Amino acid sequence: GENVEQHPSTLSVQEGDSAVIKCTYSDSASNYFPWYKQELGKRPQLIIDIRSNVGEKKDQRIAVTLNKTAKHFSLHITETQPEDSAVYFCAASSVDTGRRALTFGSGTRLQVQP
Amino acid sequence: GAVVSQHPSRVICKSGTSVKIECRSLDFQATTMFWYRQFPKKSLMLMATSNEGSKATYEQGVEKDKFLINHASLTLSTLTVTSAHPEDSSFYICSARARDILAKNIQYFGAGTRLSVL
Repeated sequence: GENVEQHPSTLSVQEGDSAVIKCTYSDSASNYFPWYKQELGKRPQLIIDIRSNVGEKKDQRIAVTLNKTAKHFSLHITETQPEDSAVYFCAASSVDTGRRALTFGSGTRLQVQP
Repeated sequence: GAVVSQHPSRVICKSGTSVKIECRSLDFQATTMFWYRQFPKKSLMLMATSNEGSKATYEQGVEKDKFLINHASLTLSTLTVTSAHPEDSSFYICSARARDILAKNIQYFGAGTRLSVL
């Protein structure tokens, strides 16, 4: 089955700096890669996603890159703000056939220092 | 965005009792719902996949007789923890996959249920 690894487990940055979180996946059939943000005690919220037919997607301060050959994808947050502090999860699944359930990475706790 | 309602948000029960958790998609039809378990400061672990009108598909190691899943309609799935024990204490969270024309696999999450078994 699919295995998603995520690094780092914790990340502390100064306000205004950039943050990068990296994930790798094992199943070449996976073609949908969402990123979720989970604040303490809250539900995971989808912040950005990418399909395997594109290599990069950007939404304001957030961007995701995908290297399908190497089977890794990354989340980039620029100009970080204290409200970006949360746990971020990457995930992988197949849209078409195969495993549609999301396989999550282990999570990255991001702390933005004011 | 789509809204998924999960109830109850918190439940405390005695060992041996059963607890039912509901997951509803409020403004969309969910062809598939998923049930996850999350331990403190850990990731979400898929327990089972619930398809409307058919039996749930359980992940390896998840006891189907202990965690009963019913997906009676396109907007409702329930998880019943039967004969709960303290080791079943956890945060249970559902998600619903929207049937949409963009062919994505977007899943919207419920707010979760914190179960404490005494």
